[in-house]
Amino acid sequence: KQEVTQIPAALSVPEGENLVLNCSFTDSAIYNLQWFRQDPGKGLTSLLLIQSSQREQTSGRLNASLDKSSGRSTLYIAASQPGDSATYLCAVTSGGSYIPTFGRGTSLIVHP
Amino acid sequence: EPEVTQTPSHQVTQMGQEVILRCVPISNHLYFYWYRQILGQKVEFLVSFYNNEISEKSEIFDDQFSVERPDGSNFTLKIRSTKLEDSAMYFCASSAGQMGNQPQHFGDGTRLSIL
Repeated sequence: KQEVTQIPAALSVPEGENLVLNCSFTDSAIYNLQWFRQDPGKGLTSLLLIQSSQREQTSGRLNASLDKSSGRSTLYIAASQPGDSATYLCAVTSGGSYIPTFGRGTSLIVHP
Repeated sequence: EPEVTQTPSHQVTQMGQEVILRCVPISNHLYFYWYRQILGQKVEFLVSFYNNEISEKSEIFDDQFSVERPDGSNFTLKIRSTKLEDSAMYFCASSAGQMGNQPQHFGDGTRLSIL
């Protein structure tokens, strides 16, 4: 059974810092990995989707990498802004179905 | 930008009653999903729906649950004989392509409180 772990659980940084969020998974036979953002009281917003054949995806200040062999993905946020404050979730599909398994998320606060 | 809309935003129901949660997916999307998130817990997949039938469902999605696309726009989740542990945020999502190949677009959720 796939297990997804996200470290750290919470992070508070000053504006302008570059930061890295980590996601690890136990079953490396994945189809894809997706990073989401969740604002308080809101649904999930898809940030980046990495297929199993890819090593990274980039969108603006966000870069997500995937290392299947080690069971890890990182989300890199460059030049963080207060508007980046949210919970970031990692979700993995694997094991013969497209049912995603989510991590608990990293709660990020970027203070001015 | 097109959105997934969910109604109601908050539903309070007595234990044992039936509830129907409603969703309007993005109009040209073909795949529809329901998830739930119990307070403080992980987001959990419930069911995916394509071409008027369930394509995948999790262990959570037992006989108490059902989904329906009653017309060309709505997608509903029915929970029969609700239990206290059904209290959670329920999210609807839709995508243009198959789950995993296309990003899913989520609604803001319905907070279900069972008393």
